[in-house]
Amino acid sequence: DIQMTQSPSSLSASVGDRVTITCQASQDISNYLNWYQQKPGKAPKLLIYDASNLETGVPSRFSGSGSGTDFTFTISSLQPEDIATYYCQQYDNLPRSGYTFGQGTKLEIK
Amino acid sequence: QVQLQESGPGLVKPSETLSLTCTVSGGSISSYYWSWIRQPAGKGLEWIGRIYTSGSTNYNPSLKSRVTMSVDTSKNQFSLKLSSVTAADTAVYYCARGFSRWFDPWGQGTLVTVSS
Repeated sequence: DIQMTQSPSSLSASVGDRVTITCQASQDISNYLNWYQQKPGKAPKLLIYDASNLETGVPSRFSGSGSGTDFTFTISSLQPEDIATYYCQQYDNLPRSGYTFGQGTKLEIK
Repeated sequence: QVQLQESGPGLVKPSETLSLTCTVSGGSISSYYWSWIRQPAGKGLEWIGRIYTSGSTNYNPSLKSRVTMSVDTSKNQFSLKLSSVTAADTAVYYCARGFSRWFDPWGQGTLVTVSS
């Protein structure tokens, strides 16, 4: 099974800061890596798909990069409404692992 | 746009079967994969399984022995059954459309508590 290691588990930053979250896969997953934002009491929302593609309607301050085993999610200038927990998610062809999520990164305002 | 809504009992007794339904509106259920994902309070996300509109299924190996999914295209609905539940199955359960290798959109989620 493919394991995902997401870090950090929590992060405190100031408005306007550049924020970076990483996700590492236990084996090569090509670019099959997606990023979600989850606000308290809400369902996750897709932000980035296939490592670097911005979902329609998502602000351009969000971006993603990487391939193989190492991936990065970046918020270029943190806004108050970005306070949330962020998850990476990989897809490995079924009937192998299927879909696996990272542990999540809780982002707070300093 | 496509919207999903979970429904079902919020309380299930230990050893019984959890049953949830997801109703898809604003679009056809056909020609997509449809998944169930759960999240225990304060914890991360776990994919439970998926069903294609043909009825073909794939389940998380860790839950496979207890999971059954079905689809009713005439009602634009798909369903989850999880048998022999314990307190460890208490979670918010989400339904979601599997669009290629990601999930979008998601339902709002429904809390299922396992308790006697």
